[in-house]
Amino acid sequence: DGGITQSPKYLFRKEGQNVTLSCEQNLNHDAMYWYRQDPGQGLRLIYYSQIVNDFQKGDIAEGYSVSREKKESFPLTVTSAQKNPTAFYLCASSIPRDTGDEQFFGPGTRLTVL
Amino acid sequence: DAKTTQPPSMDCAEGRAANLPCNHSTISGNEYVYWYRQIHSQGPQYIIHGLKNNETNEMASLIITEDRKSSTLILPHATLRDTAVYYCIVEYNFNKFYFGSGTKLNVKP
Repeated sequence: DGGITQSPKYLFRKEGQNVTLSCEQNLNHDAMYWYRQDPGQGLRLIYYSQIVNDFQKGDIAEGYSVSREKKESFPLTVTSAQKNPTAFYLCASSIPRDTGDEQFFGPGTRLTVL
Repeated sequence: DAKTTQPPSMDCAEGRAANLPCNHSTISGNEYVYWYRQIHSQGPQYIIHGLKNNETNEMASLIITEDRKSSTLILPHATLRDTAVYYCIVEYNFNKFYFGSGTKLNVKP
């Protein structure tokens, strides 16, 4: 089945440690995205990538880094510079169409920094 | 940036139609309106999208006003499984979605 996988579902880290969240898709989509969601809030865009080896900052990129070495993979690193890293992180992918760009979401990773 | 405004919560009786409104008064002429829903602790699920014309699929109908400043998502026969947060989204710049806080729909038996 085609889809987006994120691992792990739950992640715990100590304060000051960098942590990398995995996102893989087998939908052959060019564009991929990372969002952050805090309790009771909507999603906020962290980074996005429209094509391999290229990515752009979203609205809240500070304290995060990404890479896009393969079409299928878009890992997100939460660095120690991120002030409040505890959140629900969602990855998505899409393929540009003239009739609108439907984004497909993964199941999410809940990160807790202790 | 185009932004959206939705009521924070709504109630609906099971089996009745749920009509969820959204204002997007700053939308540009070529920006689509998308609707997603999110059940607790899961990734958002695509429902429907449109540009100018009304749209219908197996899940819902989307009614967009002629001036495109507002839209309504209609779930024709709501079930308990439709209880979720519904997001009205517009795309700004290229491939960037604006998610507001959404509407929490409570479907009651």
